[in-house]
Amino acid sequence: SYELTQPPSVSVSPGQTARITCSGDKLGGKYVCWYQQKPGQSPVLVIYKDSKRPSGIPERFSGSNSGNTATLTISGTQAMDEADYYCQAWDSGTAVFGGGTKLTVL
Amino acid sequence: EVQLVESGGGLVQPGGSLRLSCAASGFTFNNYWMSWVRQAPGKGLEWVANIKEDAGEKYYVDSVKGRFTISRDNAKNSLYLQMNSLRAEDTAVYYCARNEGPVAALSYWGQGTLVTVSS
Repeated sequence: SYELTQPPSVSVSPGQTARITCSGDKLGGKYVCWYQQKPGQSPVLVIYKDSKRPSGIPERFSGSNSGNTATLTISGTQAMDEADYYCQAWDSGTAVFGGGTKLTVL
Repeated sequence: EVQLVESGGGLVQPGGSLRLSCAASGFTFNNYWMSWVRQAPGKGLEWVANIKEDAGEKYYVDSVKGRFTISRDNAKNSLYLQMNSLRAEDTAVYYCARNEGPVAALSYWGQGTLVTVSS
């Protein structure tokens, strides 16, 4: 079965750029979505189709996808961005999530 | 405003059954694929199943095939998940989510309902 791999944790200082990676075989040939989940809350879509932002998502969130790696980039990271982030792709009609990355804003 | 409200969770013994419901509002329900996604306590997200607008196609994660059945009632704007032969590892918060297409983003999520499988 298809697998997506994320680093368990990423730390960033306020105002700096955070990058969260998601790796999978030939992932660049699939569309990737990213979800943000804060403690006790439901996931929120922050990036779809690799790099598109839903309405209401701040411009500091961006995404890219090439080769075997997709990347979620948060520019000018704020304390409110501290959360778990999950990448997701589709393979043979079924959805696959990465294991999640805990973003800590120190 | 899009709203998805899950219900039906609770405590069930191993081997038991449970039916989850998701009431949808604020959008034309029969225009969208829908999914169930679960999250075990302290763990990550796991997609469970999805269903086409007209229920003509359904897909499941391998671990629930033959035990869970996804269905919908477009007249009632409702999504369901019938869960049979429940196991301890099915313990999770179950979310319903709206798909933006058959293999597209899960754009809206409900608040989730907790299913606990334990004796």
